[in-house]
Amino acid sequence: AQSVAQPEDQVNVAEGNPLTVKCTYSVSGNPYLFWYVQYPNRGLQFLLKYITGDNLVKGSYGFEAEFNKSQTSFHLKKPSALVSDSALYFCAVRDYPGTYKYIFGTGTRLKVLA
Amino acid sequence: NAGVTQTPKFQVLKTGQSMTLQCAQDMNHNSMYWYRQDPGMGLRLIYYSASEGTTDKGEVPNGYNVSRLNKREFSLRLESAAPSQTSVYFCASTPLAINEQFFGPGTRLTVL
Repeated sequence: AQSVAQPEDQVNVAEGNPLTVKCTYSVSGNPYLFWYVQYPNRGLQFLLKYITGDNLVKGSYGFEAEFNKSQTSFHLKKPSALVSDSALYFCAVRDYPGTYKYIFGTGTRLKVLA
Repeated sequence: NAGVTQTPKFQVLKTGQSMTLQCAQDMNHNSMYWYRQDPGMGLRLIYYSASEGTTDKGEVPNGYNVSRLNKREFSLRLESAAPSQTSVYFCASTPLAINEQFFGPGTRLTVL
């Protein structure tokens, strides 16, 4: 069965420092991986995805993620954090050619301190 | 394009009451989904519709029913609301088989 784990409930980082939000996954087929961000009282917004190709994926707002097949990880990164990056981040996975279902992690709250 | 719209934005029900949450998308997407979001639980899939005319259960379907009315609309019905259904409900749609989801703004439901 598909599963996604986000091991940290919260990540604190100082503004200007690099940030990493961790995600590991388990699927039976090829993994299709996604990161979303949620600001307070809003729906989720897509940040980036890995389908195939380069292991380093670039997305919106300066975020990137590194796909590591051997470690079954897809960590979200940003070289220099902004206070405005403070939000709830979700990793999601879908296996293919499995189902149309997407499985989400429990979310990681990122707090960027000024 | 309005994207994915949901109505209502807020709702308070008493235990045993019924209601339907509405979702519509104007992006000609094939697949539509209903999730609930609870603190510490992330998003859990209630039901989904891979394409018009089909619906399937997700992770937490008990107490809910859905209707894919047409390609645009996907409604979620609570026949007899329970306090355990207090949550924020999100509708999402996806254009193709392997693609990112587009989310609505959510419905905050409280069941007393």
